[in-house]
Amino acid sequence: EAQVTQNPRYLITVTGKKLTVTCSQNMNHEYMSWYRQDPGLGLRQIYYSMNVEVTDKGDVPEGYKVSRKEKRNFPLILESPSPNQTSLYFCASSLQGTNEKLFFGSGTQLSVL
Amino acid sequence: GQNIDQPTEMTATEGAIVQINCTYQTSGFNGLFWYQQHAGEAPTFLSYNVLDGLEEKGRFSSFLSRSKGYSYLLLKELQMKDSASYLCAVRDQTGANNLFFGTGTRLTVIP
Repeated sequence: EAQVTQNPRYLITVTGKKLTVTCSQNMNHEYMSWYRQDPGLGLRQIYYSMNVEVTDKGDVPEGYKVSRKEKRNFPLILESPSPNQTSLYFCASSLQGTNEKLFFGSGTQLSVL
Repeated sequence: GQNIDQPTEMTATEGAIVQINCTYQTSGFNGLFWYQQHAGEAPTFLSYNVLDGLEEKGRFSSFLSRSKGYSYLLLKELQMKDSASYLCAVRDQTGANNLFFGTGTRLTVIP
């Protein structure tokens, strides 16, 4: 089944403790992206990648890192999480092309205490 | 940059028709998408418009006017399961595949 898989689904952590949210897609998509979703603010892009070893900042990249060593994986790393990073995170992927739709993972609800 | 506006909330009756509007301002335009998102779930694709006019897909239709920076999503024969948030998103012309989302319209369908 074609899908974007994110893990974990829920995560509670404490300030400063490094964490990684994994994202993997099995559709051979070139493009992958991370969003965070907060009430009243909608989906905001954190980082994106147009292909292996090619990453770029989105609108809200501060406090996050990403890597794209393989086409299928695009992990999101929080080196030192802070409470303002408490949010619902979505990974998404698509083929390249202006008419290509984004496929979303099921989301990771992160709480930083 | 991008500026995308949608109403925050709407309520409609089961069996009725509802229109959700979206206006946008963008430095370059390369298509407009509508997504549906049920509470706590991932957004799922509904429609795509890049040329002016109406795209119909079953009970859902989407309209685009590029000169007015305006789109709407039309939902017919509303069902209770249509209660969800509807997200308008535009793709710009930077060469990346980036989609920029509005804050979404939460639709509540009542009996």
